[in-house]
Amino acid sequence: DTGVSQDPRHKITKRGQNVTFRCDPISEHNRLYWYRQTLGQGPEFLTYFQNEAQLEKSRLLSDRFSAERPKGSFSTLEIQRTEQGDSAMYLCASSVDLAGQGARKGGEKLFFGSGTQLSVL
Amino acid sequence: GEDVEQSLFLSVREGDSSVINCTYTDSSSTYLYWYKQEPGAGLQLLTYIFSNMDMKQDQRLTVLLNKKDKHLSLRIADTQTGDSAIYFCAESNGYNFNKFYFGSGTKLNVKP
Repeated sequence: DTGVSQDPRHKITKRGQNVTFRCDPISEHNRLYWYRQTLGQGPEFLTYFQNEAQLEKSRLLSDRFSAERPKGSFSTLEIQRTEQGDSAMYLCASSVDLAGQGARKGGEKLFFGSGTQLSVL
Repeated sequence: GEDVEQSLFLSVREGDSSVINCTYTDSSSTYLYWYKQEPGAGLQLLTYIFSNMDMKQDQRLTVLLNKKDKHLSLRIADTQTGDSAIYFCAESNGYNFNKFYFGSGTKLNVKP
């Protein structure tokens, strides 16, 4: 188990360009989340997958953002026509249900990757 | 949306206890969590508490939950310099999936 890995670690792009990030979750985890974190703030939920199905999207996720998880394993997050306001750390997390560890239903243990830091110039 | 509030900074001396506080607004929260983030790294789950519990202890960590006041605290006993990090409080309500709401984080500085 190598944990959640994200690629690239850093991305610098010019405004208007498209960028794509990749996340490889822990292999046995079927739930995958994308979060965005700006400086001095906690992570904000963007979207959630259970296996290959994208079950929820935040209203923060404008139509310039698209996420996929084609085979229920790795996921990609694409931002089209980037804007300076898109500059942030993009975090991926996969999870295991705490109920499987003897806890009550409803809890999850999120395992976060180290994130992709996006800077839009 | 749900609000989770934390104080921004805490500074303690090595060996002292640290207490990090958090308040939340969602009365339907089922789980409350504490995550730790070191520079350049993702968040790491430290501990969690189910909403019908008042206290949970895990080695140097003690979590206290006052559900009536919607107040959560994390006490770190015998704080070490390696505990210096940002600590995030988070809550989830466990419906169809777990939408986590995070606070803005408390930066803990441990002075030798």
